[in-house]
Amino acid sequence: EVQLLESGGGLVQPGGSLRLSCAASGFTFSSYAMSWVRQAPGKGLEWVSAISGSGGSTYYADSVKGRFTISRDNSKNTLYLQMNSLRAEDTAVYYCAKFVHPFVVVTAETDAFDIWGQGTMVTVSS
Amino acid sequence: DIQMTQSPSSLSASVGDRVTITCRASQGISNYLAWYQQKPGKVPKLLIYAASTLQSGVPSRFSGSGSGTDFTLTISSLQPEDVATYYCQKYNSAPPPTFGQGTKVEIK
Repeated sequence: EVQLLESGGGLVQPGGSLRLSCAASGFTFSSYAMSWVRQAPGKGLEWVSAISGSGGSTYYADSVKGRFTISRDNSKNTLYLQMNSLRAEDTAVYYCAKFVHPFVVVTAETDAFDIWGQGTMVTVSS
Repeated sequence: DIQMTQSPSSLSASVGDRVTITCRASQGISNYLAWYQQKPGKVPKLLIYAASTLQSGVPSRFSGSGSGTDFTLTISSLQPEDVATYYCQKYNSAPPPTFGQGTKVEIK
């Protein structure tokens, strides 16, 4: 069964840092670009970042550029999101999501998301 | 960036009704359009990609159409389990893969 399982969320003070993880199983992880998508309480979906299957290419939403870093360890089938300089407006459920098609070049194209994790809540508050 | 605008923002319909949700892109995106269903408290679920391709396991009462800038999601016969918020998402060549603001569907 194809599955994504996030962890690492929690309560953090403004200006703090947090690292999210997403463990993948049931598919050839290294063949697929992956993304993080977030959803603030009561709000819609917002794409955050994407990374190619090899990890060599990344892309960020303007709202997180320079503060968040996406990475992956294909030997561990795990996706990460390092979040620094957190702000109240970063409060959201963070989902990792798998692209439908393999070998997407994230700097030049995007894709729909067919598998989503259950989400992990990040709360930025003093 | 290309903006995606959904209408209506919410709707209420009776069981068995035909329901149509519209998504408009600010620039042409060919058929690079996906639809998601998010039930209350649940994870988003892919319903349709490439504007009209039904994802495996999705009931046939869901269908999508459109190309360029105007797209529709249709539920041919609304069921109680279809209560959810529906999002469109563009994914043509240039990132970001932008979502629409969502359409909340309720039962009358």
